[in-house]
Amino acid sequence: GAGVSQSPSNKVTEKGKDVELRCDPISGHTALYWYRQRLGQGLEFLIYFQGNSAPDKSGLPSDRFSAERTGESVSTLTIQRTQQEDSAVYLCASSLAYGTDTQYFGPGTRLTVL
Amino acid sequence: GENVEQHPSTLSVQEGDSAVIKCTYSDSASNYFPWYKQELGKGPQLIIDIRSNVGEKKDQRIAVTLNKTAKHFSLHITETQPEDSAVYFCAASGGSYIPTFGRGTSLIVHP
Repeated sequence: GAGVSQSPSNKVTEKGKDVELRCDPISGHTALYWYRQRLGQGLEFLIYFQGNSAPDKSGLPSDRFSAERTGESVSTLTIQRTQQEDSAVYLCASSLAYGTDTQYFGPGTRLTVL
Repeated sequence: GENVEQHPSTLSVQEGDSAVIKCTYSDSASNYFPWYKQELGKGPQLIIDIRSNVGEKKDQRIAVTLNKTAKHFSLHITETQPEDSAVYFCAASGGSYIPTFGRGTSLIVHP
């Protein structure tokens, strides 16, 4: 079946502009995660959604970052007033439930802030 | 919270040699340990995982071992091939619903 998809694959924006990144999880997966990966670095947790529960936003680096998820489907990550340090690959992953279930990652969105 | 340490950060081997990557974790409640392979420009992909009720798992040239007493687990790749070149991440979860990832190991297999 279809895997996790993300769009756009690449986004170049100017400092100060807002950007919106989209993630389509695998159908039936109730858990959805967003991660940030800077060049040559590991995975930095941003936010986690589980079904209709309140999201865990503990990884969001500032109030310029926000995310939404409609039920158990699409999620969008929004970065307002982008800064150059926001340049990174943003990865989305979904899993059947949470914790000890395998995460399936999308290909990521490469964000470049000029 | 959980802390996962991964070593080495870079590993260079000749084709046909074995490669071993090691991870340690801190939370004794963790019970699921996946390994991911990330090729350039792609998202991480699961290659093998192990749960705390087993000590070893194999899948062709790849194996993972787990020592719960010592809180460490390792990835073993035998007969390495150039296409094994990638970044490998370990992770631990179970104590928290948010997996904790290691910092990654860049494996380079020279033909």
